Amino acid sequence: DTGVSQDPRHKITKRGQNVTFRCDPISEHNRLYWYRQTLGQGPEFLTYFQNEAQLEKSRLLSDRFSAERPKGSFSTLEIQRTEQGDSAMYLCASSLEGDSDTQYFGPGTRLTVL
Amino acid sequence: GNSVTQMEGPVTLSEEAFLTINCTYTATGYPSLFWYVQYPGEGLQLLLKATKADDKGSNKGFEATYRKETTSFHLEKGSVQVSDSAVYFCALRMNTGFQKLVFGTGTRLLVSP
Repeated sequence: DTGVSQDPRHKITKRGQNVTFRCDPISEHNRLYWYRQTLGQGPEFLTYFQNEAQLEKSRLLSDRFSAERPKGSFSTLEIQRTEQGDSAMYLCASSLEGDSDTQYFGPGTRLTVL
Repeated sequence: GNSVTQMEGPVTLSEEAFLTINCTYTATGYPSLFWYVQYPGEGLQLLLKATKADDKGSNKGFEATYRKETTSFHLEKGSVQVSDSAVYFCALRMNTGFQKLVFGTGTRLLVSP
């Protein structure tokens, strides 16, 4: 299966700790997106990369959040000094510019902050 | 801003019943419209899409028609199965500028035998 993969699938951490999530997009996809989904809600956009450039960030992405996509391949999302309100499912999606830009989603990383 | 409104769930149906899940949108311009499905324990999967007015997207017996005049993209299926039980998300994406998806809150479908 060559779909979008995310690691870890689940993360439990204590408030104040830092966490990092990884996303591996579909190999030829040059666009990569991070979304956050809380219980009972639809996913909300966090940030977007085209190749290695981070072109858009949501106001939801506070200074404690940082995302990178070195070399335009995999991406990492780091949350520093986690808070209980950060508990959510973090979703990664990728798309190929020009291929009607359909976004394909990974299985997500569920974060629980105690 | 751009937004999507879906009917609240859960929608509870018996197998072989007809399904409609309502979705309306607000957008400045003409977006592409999508239905994504999330099965229990799985990630979001694209179910169908339509990129312009009057287009009909279809997949796995589901269909939805892009209605510009009513700003709607209702999901329908003629005969649901137990395996269709999932959460369904309607979403839009503007076709100019930045390409993020804007999702509705999701509608849970429960199909009983």
